[in-house]
Amino acid sequence: ETGVTQTPRHLVMGMTNKKSLKCEQHLGHNAMYWYKQSAKKPLELMFVYSLEERVENNSVPSRFSPECPNSSHLFLHLHTLQPEDSALYLCASSQDGGRGDTQYFGPGTRLTVL
Amino acid sequence: EDKVVQSPLSLVVHEGDTVTLNCSYEVTNFRSLLWYKQEKKAPTFLFMLTSSGIEKKSGRLSSILDKKELFSILNITATQTGDSAIYLCAPGGGGTYKYIFGTGTRLKVLA
Repeated sequence: ETGVTQTPRHLVMGMTNKKSLKCEQHLGHNAMYWYKQSAKKPLELMFVYSLEERVENNSVPSRFSPECPNSSHLFLHLHTLQPEDSALYLCASSQDGGRGDTQYFGPGTRLTVL
Repeated sequence: EDKVVQSPLSLVVHEGDTVTLNCSYEVTNFRSLLWYKQEKKAPTFLFMLTSSGIEKKSGRLSSILDKKELFSILNITATQTGDSAIYLCAPGGGGTYKYIFGTGTRLKVLA
């Protein structure tokens, strides 16, 4: 266990549904990240939050909407997704704003969009 | 454009063999390079390399960074079936929060 938890672990949704992914870190870190991992592609950074402020948005479509209410929790709100959005969504956290720090990953949410 | 190339893409060895995994990179903001092991779940952290030429070791695993030639290697000695996984390298972390991940090397260790 890395101290980063994600729920749900698996999610199947239709293209018109709205759902949210949740991440919680118990490490006292100040930065949190969302990554997308598609089959046979490298991990792609989606969003970075440092001290609850979004510091990076990697040209992610607006159908993905992050929320960071405090430094321990991170959400990814999903709406009107496309089948190509099916992937493993990984949350990570790091100490002190993340620059040059090791990132610790949660177990991921396996998302399937029908 | 940032680029990370890992080689080989996949590797099949027998238990007891030694393997060397390669990671070459070109990134605009570099502070450190991370190595991860990924089995059927989230990546687990192996090493963080910041300085050239200093080997980091953890059990049968070791890694070294060459900041002049822009590459890193990960060595695994006396491989075991439990080493079967995808090994990811990720340079970056400087200037922005971004680490650029390679596609990984898929290692399979046969009993």
